[in-house]
Amino acid sequence: DAGVIQSPRHEVTEMGQEVTLRCKPISGHNSLFWYRQTMMRGLELLIYFNNNVPIDDSGMPEDRFSAKMPNASFSTLKIQPSEPRDSAVYFCASSFSSGQETQYFGPGTRLLVL
Amino acid sequence: DQQVKQNSPSLSVQEGRISILNCDYTNSMFDYFLWYKKYPAEGPTFLISISSIKDKNEDGRFTVFLNKSAKHLSLHIVPSQPGDSAVYFCAAITGGGADGLTFGKGTHLIIQP
Repeated sequence: DAGVIQSPRHEVTEMGQEVTLRCKPISGHNSLFWYRQTMMRGLELLIYFNNNVPIDDSGMPEDRFSAKMPNASFSTLKIQPSEPRDSAVYFCASSFSSGQETQYFGPGTRLLVL
Repeated sequence: DQQVKQNSPSLSVQEGRISILNCDYTNSMFDYFLWYKKYPAEGPTFLISISSIKDKNEDGRFTVFLNKSAKHLSLHIVPSQPGDSAVYFCAAITGGGADGLTFGKGTHLIIQP
């Protein structure tokens, strides 16, 4: 298996622009997680889905952030409009949630908002 | 308020010696704990885990100890090897499956030759 796939790997954009991050989970996994890593806050959970349904989005920082999972093999995290403080590494992870808690992470998207 | 704390941002250990990474938590509802290892420009990779019903789990050179009364866990690596140089994240989870992980801020382990 190719593991969790994220795109793009790097994104540089200007303040006010829309940013869309993409994730393909491991085939057969039914839980998907979006995390953000910053120097100040470390790794923090933004939102997670189970069977394509958002379960907990309490970590989403503002209404500018939205996430969707239209099917079992694809998810997006969108920031509109983006701000410099959104600059971070965004990780997607997936797991097979039948009592197994191990989550497998993608390589991350490094976002820089100028 | 951080529920999972790794108080040592970095740790330097000589090759061949034991590395001990520490982690404290405050939420008594956590029932499963994990260690992840992260190299630069890569995502975290799962290393070892322990359930709250156990106090020790061993996998090759890696052993995790859990002290529930102290709300403390530690990761022991012995012997330490140069490839172990990475950032190690302690993580905890509540519930039985599809919940998000709560991470510590990580400890950067440096193995010196």
